[in-house]
Amino acid sequence: QQQVKQSPQSLIVQKGGISIINCAYENTAFDYFPWYQQFPGKGPALLIAIRPDVSEKKEGRFTISFNKSAKQFSLHIMDSQPGDSATYFCAASRGHFGNEKLTFGTGTRLTIIP
Amino acid sequence: DGGITQSPKYLFRKEGQNVTLSCEQNLNHDAMYWYRQDPGQGLRLIYYSQIVNDFQKGDIAEGYSVSREKKESFPLTVTSAQKNPTAFYLCASRGAPGQGGTEAFFGQGTRLTVV
Repeated sequence: QQQVKQSPQSLIVQKGGISIINCAYENTAFDYFPWYQQFPGKGPALLIAIRPDVSEKKEGRFTISFNKSAKQFSLHIMDSQPGDSATYFCAASRGHFGNEKLTFGTGTRLTIIP
Repeated sequence: DGGITQSPKYLFRKEGQNVTLSCEQNLNHDAMYWYRQDPGQGLRLIYYSQIVNDFQKGDIAEGYSVSREKKESFPLTVTSAQKNPTAFYLCASRGAPGQGGTEAFFGQGTRLTVV
């Protein structure tokens, strides 16, 4: 069963534009929602994460928007750059103890074109 | 420097062979995880361990086995029972809030190919 659904599967954005990736979850026990960035042949690395007590978190050009009632969260990349071209994964877990398993979405391949 | 080390980077397996993927961390994290990555399917959880000498099956455990005899190490064995083992395997670790946060750190992966 897919507990975290991610869309779109691939995304092409022009340099300087806004990239938006969406995720939806089913398990209401989830309370930790990270986004990971992965470059080819490398392991994923944490980009930004949010807990459901806030509706938005911003770090530089990256923003997570969170809608608890809709069980949805999204990643916005402002002023997208060619170096942002990578695969992005959303994830969710019960974060209370910090060592719970992460459930991942299927990934979005982002390509930023000049 | 601290982190997670996976070895080897590339691994080739003949039909019917068992192979073991290594994962070592020096982050003092209690929890460790193995994920399998296939194109278009994201990261799927194979096994995870929240403490030494204990581990649980993930979503796709069939054909795999693990051990957790030391906090630092969580090796994954891909057995001959795994019918489609060609994939990119990722190891991760995660600490409790008191261990510096809840971020999961990943290794650089092992690409396993059946020949």
